[in-house]
Amino acid sequence: GAGVSQSPSNKVTEKGKDVELRCDPISGHTALYWYRQSLGQGLEFLIYFQGNSAPDKSGLPSDRFSAERTGGSVSTLTIQRTQQEDSAVYLCASSALVRGYGYTFGSGTRLTVV
Amino acid sequence: AQTVTQSQPEMSVQEAETVTLSCTYDTSENNYYLFWYKQPPSRQMILVIRQEAYKQQNATENRFSVNFQKAAKSFSLKISDSQLGDTAMYFCAFMKPATNAGKSTFGDGTTLTVKP
Repeated sequence: GAGVSQSPSNKVTEKGKDVELRCDPISGHTALYWYRQSLGQGLEFLIYFQGNSAPDKSGLPSDRFSAERTGGSVSTLTIQRTQQEDSAVYLCASSALVRGYGYTFGSGTRLTVV
Repeated sequence: AQTVTQSQPEMSVQEAETVTLSCTYDTSENNYYLFWYKQPPSRQMILVIRQEAYKQQNATENRFSVNFQKAAKSFSLKISDSQLGDTAMYFCAFMKPATNAGKSTFGDGTTLTVKP
């Protein structure tokens, strides 16, 4: 697609429920990143994909968080048994990995756990 | 591990004036990339400007320019002729491309308000 698409744009869920966040990167971008941004804060790295592989999962906060990427394209971030501290904006970005190429970000998913 | 520090949580500037946002970073690498991203209230983050560490010449994109001081590990962003649409949160980011496939480390951001 023309840009990075994330869905849903907003999600309100009850504590303890599972949620799935979707990211559709720019076609041809081999690298895909998930970051989390709490209100007014900086970006916290969660995980990145090179193709369908996730060489670096070091930022996932707990085993309640998981992510996958299929066909070198769409990625899904799943949060199980959501907690109030999971409330944040989840940002997805993709990159062509051409030397010095930056990220193209999606608009994010605002997750609110009540 | 790399760290990126933005020491100015908030700044303001009058429309049409010039403002400089500060960023310092810590790395032992010699080759890397630095970026400034802008996040308007609408939330979507966009790339403003990039700098390659092996290039001494400072990058410029229209009203946006950087002052890259490699020895001092400083990478400031200058916005000239500020416009109301420049109101946003600005993030400085470091990327080490040799490993981790372009994973970036971001600063905590500077909220810039342009006043009419």
